[in-house]
Amino acid sequence: NAGVTQTPKFRVLKTGQSMTLLCAQDMNHEYMYWYRQDPGMGLRLIHYSVGEGTTAKGEVPDGYNVSRLKKQNFLLGLESAAPSQTSVYFCASSYRGENTEAFFGQGTRLTVV
Amino acid sequence: AQSVTQLDSHVSVSEGTPVLLRCNYSSSYSPSLFWYVQHPNKGLQLLLKYTSAATLVKGINGFEAEFKKSETSFHLTKPSAHMSDAAEYFCVVIRNTGGFKTIFGAGTRLFVKA
Repeated sequence: NAGVTQTPKFRVLKTGQSMTLLCAQDMNHEYMYWYRQDPGMGLRLIHYSVGEGTTAKGEVPDGYNVSRLKKQNFLLGLESAAPSQTSVYFCASSYRGENTEAFFGQGTRLTVV
Repeated sequence: AQSVTQLDSHVSVSEGTPVLLRCNYSSSYSPSLFWYVQHPNKGLQLLLKYTSAATLVKGINGFEAEFKKSETSFHLTKPSAHMSDAAEYFCVVIRNTGGFKTIFGAGTRLFVKA
C-alpha cells in the first residue's frame, strides 16, 4: 500500500520556468491538498480539492494552479517559477475534511534560482 | 480569525523525562485539533486528534493531549521521552464551517538528550 506518492522528490528550476508536481493516492480519498513548508511558518495550504473535478484556493494560492481530473491524482503547477516559490511542497489526502486524518507524502524540495 | 500558537520553538529534554509541548488556539467555531509529528526529511504523521469527544486524547507512541476549552489549549505530553521522539511537532486546527481552513502552528522542535 503506497499511500501518498509525490513526484519528483527534488527539483531545481530557473526563474520563469514551469513545472508540474504530481501527487497520487491509492486510498480512495475524496479530499486532497497541496501545502508548502517554509522555515518557522509551519505548513500553509496552497490549494485543495474535495473531490474529482473540483479545486479550491487555500491560504497562499497565488502563482500556483491545480487540477484534479482523476480522483487519485492532484497536480500542482507553477507556470512561471519565482525564487519566492523555493520551498518544500507536501501533498496530503484524507477521506473527508474536518475530522479525519490526513496522510502526507514525503515532500518535494523545490529550489528556484 | 483563527490562529494556532505553539509557545516554544524548541524544547530540549533528557531521555526518560516528561515531555510538554504547548499549543494555544483561537477559533470562532468548535475546532478539530490535531498533533502531527515530522521526522527529518519525512512527511507528517498523525499523533492524535480531538474532535469534541473525550477531552483527554491518547495517541500513538505514548503521547496524549488534553483539550481545555477554558484555556483554549491543547498541550501535548508524554511521561517519558525516548531518543526516537526527537522530531518537529505541529499543532493543527481544521474547521469546515464558513469555509474550509487548515491552520498549522509554526512547529516545536523536540531535542532528546541521552
